[in-house]
Amino acid sequence: DAKTTQPNSMESNEEEPVHLPCNHSTISGTDYIHWYRQLPSQGPEYVIHGLTSNVNNRMASLAIAEDRKSSTLILHRATLRDAAVYYCIPRVQGAQKLVFGQGTRLTINP
Amino acid sequence: ETGVTQSPTHLIKTRGQQVTLRCSSQSGHNTVSWYQQALGQGPQFIFQYYREEENGRGNFPPRFSGLQFPNYSSELNVNALELDDSALYLCASSSLTTSFGLGTQYFGPGTRLLVL
Repeated sequence: DAKTTQPNSMESNEEEPVHLPCNHSTISGTDYIHWYRQLPSQGPEYVIHGLTSNVNNRMASLAIAEDRKSSTLILHRATLRDAAVYYCIPRVQGAQKLVFGQGTRLTINP
Repeated sequence: ETGVTQSPTHLIKTRGQQVTLRCSSQSGHNTVSWYQQALGQGPQFIFQYYREEENGRGNFPPRFSGLQFPNYSSELNVNALELDDSALYLCASSSLTTSFGLGTQYFGPGTRLLVL
């Protein structure tokens, strides 16, 4: 399993963009980069995933470096509801399990 | 569409006892995975069930066991509880297909277990 490095915590203001970085320098060529987040008192929820190209969905955007050794989850306009722990997870397509690291605790200030 | 539900929400047990946690999968999903999340840590994979058979296991001792039922609901059983078993236990359901493997995992809210 590829190792990931994420900041322990980040802070941002409501309605501002947030860029959450993840380093995954040992990622293999077939690993997709998945992001999940865990809101307080809830189980993790899927946010987005990608392989090589940048990806967008209604929740966020995922920017993947050309060498795939890092990626950035972008929340375009943070709300208080986005306060959560964000996990970056390299994962072989269809792999059996998710391997969670420590994640980044994101605080959003009103 | 009903999401993943777990019961009970909280549980207190004493060391040496046995516990059973329950999970109801999301409609249409054939796979359930169980994770243990210690305080301040990310979830750790315990095992997965597919079509009522164990389909992979993480680094957990045999006193952690499970069942999956024909309606795809599931149980996690832990025998001989230890203090370190105190954690949030999460189940996640998903669809496993031959074409695409395991899809997105949908997590329940978890059961918080305290072992005294």
